Amino acid sequence: SQQGEEDPQALSIQEGENATMNCSYKTSINNLQWYRQNSGRGLVHLILIRSNEREKHSGRLRVTLDTSKKSSSLLITASRAADTASYFCATVNTGGFKTIFGAGTRLFVKA
Amino acid sequence: NAGVTQTPKFQVLKTGQSMTLQCAQDMNHEYMSWYRQDPGMGLRLIHYSVGAGITDQGEVPNGYNVSRSTTEDFPLRLLSAAPSQTSVYFCASSYSRQGGETQYFGPGTRLLVL
Repeated sequence: SQQGEEDPQALSIQEGENATMNCSYKTSINNLQWYRQNSGRGLVHLILIRSNEREKHSGRLRVTLDTSKKSSSLLITASRAADTASYFCATVNTGGFKTIFGAGTRLFVKA
Repeated sequence: NAGVTQTPKFQVLKTGQSMTLQCAQDMNHEYMSWYRQDPGMGLRLIHYSVGAGITDQGEVPNGYNVSRSTTEDFPLRLLSAAPSQTSVYFCASSYSRQGGETQYFGPGTRLLVL
């Protein structure tokens, strides 16, 4: 069973706009990670946020984590056509060992 | 560093055939894992290893075997291929022995079982 569930499943925006993707999960976590996958490629790690953190930034990426609501969001600011990809959240349960991925959000940025 | 490498890139099998998907990493990572990705879905964990000689099952282990004789290599064996195993397979490694930190992914192996 999938731990994380992303919302929306697909998102289409214009270049320069912001893109927000959400992730909900079910059990206690050690950390939550976001990955990007370009079509036909392997996943690339974007950012990791630990259970005791509420917000994290990396370049144009901003991630928030609300453990009380068991949810996270990924914001990409000033999007570019090159940001077109699928984005996955992944959770690591307390105790580690297994990283569980959601079904992903497909982002399309129109030039 | 080559990172995580996988071979082959593509493979077509007939039902009942067996094969081994190869995965190697040159980052001296203790943790390695195998995932499968079906169309429109996220990755599902098949097996993982926290070091040479130690493996354990993930979410969907049935029909697959793994072994870890060295730190570098983590092959995935399909014992008797079935059409339901048609998928893209990704290998990943992590510097964290528990695997709960950043994972580095290989480029994937596309498998078609007829």
